[in-house]
Amino acid sequence: QVQLVQSGSELKKPGASVKVSCKASGYIFTSHAMNWVRQAPGQGLEWMGWINAGNGNTKYSQKFQDRVTITRDTSASIAYMELSSLTSEDTAVYYCARWRGTGWIDYWGQGTLVTVSS
Amino acid sequence: EIVLTQSPGTLSLSPGERATLSCRAGQSVSSSYLAWYQQKPGQAPRLLIYGASSRATGIPDRFSGSGSGTDFTLTISRLEPEDFAVYYCQQYGSSLSFGGGTKVEIK
Repeated sequence: QVQLVQSGSELKKPGASVKVSCKASGYIFTSHAMNWVRQAPGQGLEWMGWINAGNGNTKYSQKFQDRVTITRDTSASIAYMELSSLTSEDTAVYYCARWRGTGWIDYWGQGTLVTVSS
Repeated sequence: EIVLTQSPGTLSLSPGERATLSCRAGQSVSSSYLAWYQQKPGQAPRLLIYGASSRATGIPDRFSGSGSGTDFTLTISRLEPEDFAVYYCQQYGSSLSFGGGTKVEIK
């Protein structure tokens, strides 16, 4: 069965960076793109970007273009999302989510809480 | 980026009632690329509907999706206790975006 298991909660200071991992299993990792979506407390879902796990090509939301980097390690079936220059507004749950390839997300990780506080 | 506007923000209904949720796009969206998700507190979202009207695996037939162009609808024919949650629409065009969500709460 498809599983996406994310790294644990993070506490970061303003100005720092955070790197969240997402280990995939149960399918051929390179056959699907991986999205990153975040959700601030009490707020909606916000798409950050994705990576084509096969060729490594990325696409980012304009909002995060300058601060986010999504990478992958195909040998370990892991996708990463790194967000820099953190502020308190980046406090959120960050999800990895598998792209079905034809227009929707079919599997989600359990989420990683990133808290930014001095 | 295509903006999706969901309405109403909150829907207060009783179990057994019908729920009608709207998702309006700022520009035309291919029906193939419109999806709906359900999210319960403390959980990741779950895919309900893809391609505007196809139910995902294991989704009960009381959930249905319809619409085209800029107007899409998620209908829950008879609300069960487990259906009270937040619902999001999502589109994929040149990039991906979500609507702001509709909370279906118990009246």
